[in-house]
Amino acid sequence: KQEVTQIPAALSVPEGENLVLNCSFTDSAIYNLQWFRQDPGKGLTSLLLIQSSQREQTSGRLNASLDKSSGRSTLYIAASQPGDSATYLCAASTGFQKLVFGTGTRLLVSP
Amino acid sequence: GAVVSQHPSWVICKSGTSVKIECRSLDFQATTMFWYRQFPKQSLMLMATSNEGSKATYEQGVEKDKFLINHASLTLSTLTVTSAHPEDSSFYICSATGATLGNYGYTFGSGTRLTVV
Repeated sequence: KQEVTQIPAALSVPEGENLVLNCSFTDSAIYNLQWFRQDPGKGLTSLLLIQSSQREQTSGRLNASLDKSSGRSTLYIAASQPGDSATYLCAASTGFQKLVFGTGTRLLVSP
Repeated sequence: GAVVSQHPSWVICKSGTSVKIECRSLDFQATTMFWYRQFPKQSLMLMATSNEGSKATYEQGVEKDKFLINHASLTLSTLTVTSAHPEDSSFYICSATGATLGNYGYTFGSGTRLTVV
């Protein structure tokens, strides 16, 4: 059974800092790994998707990497802004269209 | 972009009553709909997967008679929590995918906060 964990559970940083969020999964047989953002009481917004054959994806200030052999993915956020404050979830695709979500990292970026 | 509208955004109901949550795809055909629940400070747990016109497939431990899912059209799926009890209080989110979104494209609804009193 796939299990996905994220560390840290919460992170508070001043504006402008570069930061790294970590995601670990127990079963390396994944189709892809996705990163989502969730604002309080809201749904999810897809940030990045890394296919199992890829090692990283970039979108603006966000960069996600994937190391299947070690069961890890990282989300790098450059020059953090207060608007980046949210909960970040990673999810591993264990089968066609099925996602197993991590526990999330709550990020607070202070002005 | 692909949009899923989920209603209501919040609902309070009395114990023993039923509550229906709707998810509508506004600008694409949602061939597959996923229903998740999320407890406070916990992650999303998949409850069931439904394909348009077929019976939903429930995850282990999810009572199909309690959480009724209907996906009768390509634009609408509903989740009905029957005989709701306080332990059913949670945040419910739907997710949809379809041919135009590609094999790995998902669009999430904005969620429904259910409180059973």
